[in-house]
Order: sequence, then structure tokens, then C-alpha cells
Amino acid sequence: SYEVTQPLSVSVALGQTAKIICGGNNIGSKTVHWYQQKPGQAPILIIYRDNNRPSGIPERFSGSNSGNTATLTISSVQAGDEADYHCQAWDSTSLVVFGGGTKLTVL
Amino acid sequence: QVHLVESGGGVVQPGRSLRLSCAATGFTFSRFSMSWVRQAPGKGLEWVAIISYDGTTKNYADSVKGRLTISRDNSKNTLFLQMTSLRVEDSALYYCARLNGDYLDLWGPGTLVSVSS
Repeated sequence: SYEVTQPLSVSVALGQTAKIICGGNNIGSKTVHWYQQKPGQAPILIIYRDNNRPSGIPERFSGSNSGNTATLTISSVQAGDEADYHCQAWDSTSLVVFGGGTKLTVL
Repeated sequence: QVHLVESGGGVVQPGRSLRLSCAATGFTFSRFSMSWVRQAPGKGLEWVAIISYDGTTKNYADSVKGRLTISRDNSKNTLFLQMTSLRVEDSALYYCARLNGDYLDLWGPGTLVSVSS
């Protein structure tokens, strides 16, 4: 079955740029999606199909996907961006595949 | 407004059954495949099951195959998850989510299932 991996945690200073990676074998050949989950809340979609933002998601959130790594980039990080971030890939056999989630801490 | 709202969670003993429901409003439910995703306390998201828009195709994670059954009633805009032979490791917050192609673009707030003796 296909697997994707994420770092458990990432820390970034307020106003700086955060990068959260999602690793998988040739993940660049698949489409990757990103969800933000704040404490006590359901996940919300913030990036779909590698680099597209749903309506209402700030331009500070962007994505890329190539080779064995997909990346979520959050520029000008705000305190309100502190959350868990989950990547998800679609695999023809495993279907919906989630990474373990990354906790973003804003310093 | 577009909403998904789960219900049916609770505390149940190992080996017993439970049926979760998810009511959809604000969109044409019958046009979308739907999914259940669960999250154990302090853990990541785990995909559970998917059902096609018309209910004819169903897929399950290996961890639940043969014990959990996804279904839908398009006339009532409702998604179901029948859970049997429940195990302690099935304890989680269960979300229903709308599948848009290959991503989940709408999530409910979740319903909590606790399996304990």
C-alpha cells in the first residue's frame, strides 16, 4: 500500500515562512491535497491538486509537488496559523492516503 | 449553507454494533461520492471508507474491511456507517466528508465513538 510521511512538528517565527513537507515514493506523479485542523475543529481543505486554493483561503498558503516531496508553504506566518496540517494523496490501490500530520508551532 | 452533520456516536462495549449517520444539506448530495474518515485521540487522520455517488461502488480500508459497512440514502440526503464487531482500536472521532474527485472538500464536525468494556 502507498504511504506518505510528514514530520511530527515544525516551528516558525511569527512573520516568517513555514514549509511543511510530505514525502512519498514518486509522489510528484500523484495529486496532493492539504488540510488545516485547529484544536477541537474538523479539518478544512486549504490546498487541492498540488497548488490550488479553495475560495476563502489566503494567498499566503501555497503548494508544490515534485519528485518524492510535496510541500506546503505558508508565508508571513500568523499566530492563527498554528494548527495541525495533514497532506493527502490519492493512490489507485490505497485510494485516500493521509500523512501522519504536522503540528505547526508559531514562535 | 453547505453542511454535513454526523450523529450516532457513543460509548459501546467491544464486539457490539453502532450505526453512524451523516446528514447533508445545501448541495446536491446524489452527485457526490462520500467518505468516512476517523481520528483517534491525539492521532492523525485515517481514511475508513468511500461510497460512489449512486451507492454502487464501495471501498474500505483494510483495518475495517468486513466489519464496517458504508451506505447511503440519496432520497434522504444521508450517509451511513454500520459498525459491527467493534474493537477498542475503533475508538475515534468519525468524520463524514464529501469527495470531490480525489480530495475531501467538505467535512462535518464529527461524532465520537468510544469502545470500552
